[in-house]
Amino acid sequence: RKEVEQDPGPFNVPEGATVAFNCTYSNSASQSFFWYRQDCRKEPKLLMSVYSSGNEDGRFTAQLNRASQYISLLIRDSKLSDSATYLCVVNKEDTGRRALTFGSGTRLQVQP
Amino acid sequence: GAGVSQSPSNKVTEKGKDVELRCDPISGHTALYWYRQSLGQGLEFLIYFQGNSAPDKSGLPSDRFSAERTGGSVSTLTIQRTQQEDSAVYLCASSFTGSGNTIYFGEGSWLTVV
Repeated sequence: RKEVEQDPGPFNVPEGATVAFNCTYSNSASQSFFWYRQDCRKEPKLLMSVYSSGNEDGRFTAQLNRASQYISLLIRDSKLSDSATYLCVVNKEDTGRRALTFGSGTRLQVQP
Repeated sequence: GAGVSQSPSNKVTEKGKDVELRCDPISGHTALYWYRQSLGQGLEFLIYFQGNSAPDKSGLPSDRFSAERTGGSVSTLTIQRTQQEDSAVYLCASSFTGSGNTIYFGEGSWLTVV
């Protein structure tokens, strides 16, 4: 089983739609969680951190479910500019060892 | 500069030649990562440096790949005897120590082996 799993998509949605992505992780000791966005031929950039209580940033809502070991990203009122690949990132502090694990990403295509 | 800086941004090399890729992390960041990404694929972990600890080299695909980080700052990724399958973008990232800290990426070094 992969440490971090995402549905690769693509998710093709019309403008204005609400879309949600899930990401599951296997290490129950994981401590912090992020969603990154990657545009075509660009580097990943932080979209938002994911907090235990859930958090919202404008049209974006992130949730964490530790019991079931998944995080989610909800995008409301999709814009054409939301088209990108969304990467789930899980981090566990472990001295001297790589702690950061990326999912392979979910591709979103918002259509006019 | 304010962000992670990588050089060269683009490199075309002949098969069998050695290449060096450089990463200058954000000042004060103790953690530094190298990833590789082939076109249309996910991020492939290569190596991780954390402060003065021994690096985690578990992601290096072969002994042709090596990396060092001098003085806890600048890092160099070296690929010896390049092969066509090494063609990819090599991304460097850095962060402060601690699992909750944001990881910042450089724009990458695009390597093409012909």
